[in-house]
Amino acid sequence: QVQLVESGGGLVKPGGSLRLSCAASGFTFSDYWMSWIRQAPGKGLEWLSYISDSENTIYYADSVKGRFTISRDNAKNSLYLQMNSLRAEDTAVYYCARTGTMAFSNFDSWGQGTLVTVSS
Amino acid sequence: SYVLTQPPSVSVAPGKTARITCGGNNIGIKSVHWYQQRPGQAPVMVISYDKDRPSGIPERISGSNSGNTAALTITRVEAGDEADYYCQVWDTISDLPVFGGGTKLTVL
Repeated sequence: QVQLVESGGGLVKPGGSLRLSCAASGFTFSDYWMSWIRQAPGKGLEWLSYISDSENTIYYADSVKGRFTISRDNAKNSLYLQMNSLRAEDTAVYYCARTGTMAFSNFDSWGQGTLVTVSS
Repeated sequence: SYVLTQPPSVSVAPGKTARITCGGNNIGIKSVHWYQQRPGQAPVMVISYDKDRPSGIPERISGSNSGNTAALTITRVEAGDEADYYCQVWDTISDLPVFGGGTKLTVL
């Protein structure tokens, strides 16, 4: 079955950096677009970024553009999110989500999430 | 950017029917996806492309979409349906996905 396992979260100071990873299994990772979505404490879902199967299409939400970088390694069945210049408002649970085999699909599988806390 | 509007909360008695709406400008021409998030858990897709149920989702859960309103309907509501529900579409002008603010379903 489809499994997505995020890791790399933790406590970081404002201005610091963190790299999240998402290990995928149970499907052909290289066929799927993938996304990062976050949820601040007590708040709703916020899409952050997606990357196409071949990495030639990448988009970011305005809230993270220029600070976060999405990437993937199809040989390792892994998705990444490099987060720089972190702010208190980036505190959230970060989910990776499978995003279909084409553009404008849905988020049909989600990981369990990894908590990022930005605080001094 | 495209905006999706959901009621913050909906309450329903067990065994009754819950309807959660998702409003957007001419949303009827878009594909709407719905996600259920139980407390402390990751979201799960329960409806895709307006009305399709993924494998394992009970027939009690259905979706519709027309005009300016999409809706998620849950019949014979159970305690286990208590969760936050989010609608989602793609803004085809920006090529970005958009989530509604979420609706907390409370089973009385």
